[in-house]
Amino acid sequence: NAGVTQTPKFRVLKTGQSMTLLCAQDMNHEYMYWYRQDPGMGLRLIHYSVGEGTTAKGEVPDGYNVSRLKKQNFLLGLESAAPSQTSVYFCATAMGDRHTDTQYFGPGTRLTVL
Amino acid sequence: AQSVTQPDIHITVSEGASLELRCNYSYGATPYLFWYVQSPGQGLQLLLKYFSGDTLVQGIKGFEAEFKRSQSSFNLRKPSVHWSDAAEYFCAVALGVDSSYKLIFGSGTRLLVRP
Repeated sequence: NAGVTQTPKFRVLKTGQSMTLLCAQDMNHEYMYWYRQDPGMGLRLIHYSVGEGTTAKGEVPDGYNVSRLKKQNFLLGLESAAPSQTSVYFCATAMGDRHTDTQYFGPGTRLTVL
Repeated sequence: AQSVTQPDIHITVSEGASLELRCNYSYGATPYLFWYVQSPGQGLQLLLKYFSGDTLVQGIKGFEAEFKRSQSSFNLRKPSVHWSDAAEYFCAVALGVDSSYKLIFGSGTRLLVRP
């Protein structure tokens, strides 16, 4: 039972390159989230999904796209990376019961855009 | 707009001393509140959460937090700090979305523990 895993752990990109971050969960959770963490700013929500085949925008969605083709996977894409997207990216999952929910976080992906 | 403020960027305490980390929120309705801890190079781990009921909430690792509506606060406390508690601590408030919620985080407080 791995919980929430993220691939890759580290990545360095050049400006304009593209990449996809993968979040995988084996907890059968309905809800999945992508956050970014920047120094002094806490975590900010990029996109989220309330179920397979659905996605929605969070606080800072510009420059990112997401897909949830399978319940257990949530992909975050950068089509044309910019230095401003240098950050640590965290995926989180939640069961989907608002009154008792806890969000479980993955270990993070550290991305540097040169 | 909903927000969370953690006024202390860094706090240093001696091992065995008591700890209080401050958190203030801005939210119109009754908030759902959380404290998470992040060890270096790790993801976030839930310490405790407040949804309703008793305003004093017990969490893991000997932590507790008290919800004070009149002060819009949800401060985290521990009576005796251990060296392994050195980490970054985040307070968060939940905003409803569909049948679940999304989290608004504070900027974090880094705890340093002196031997």
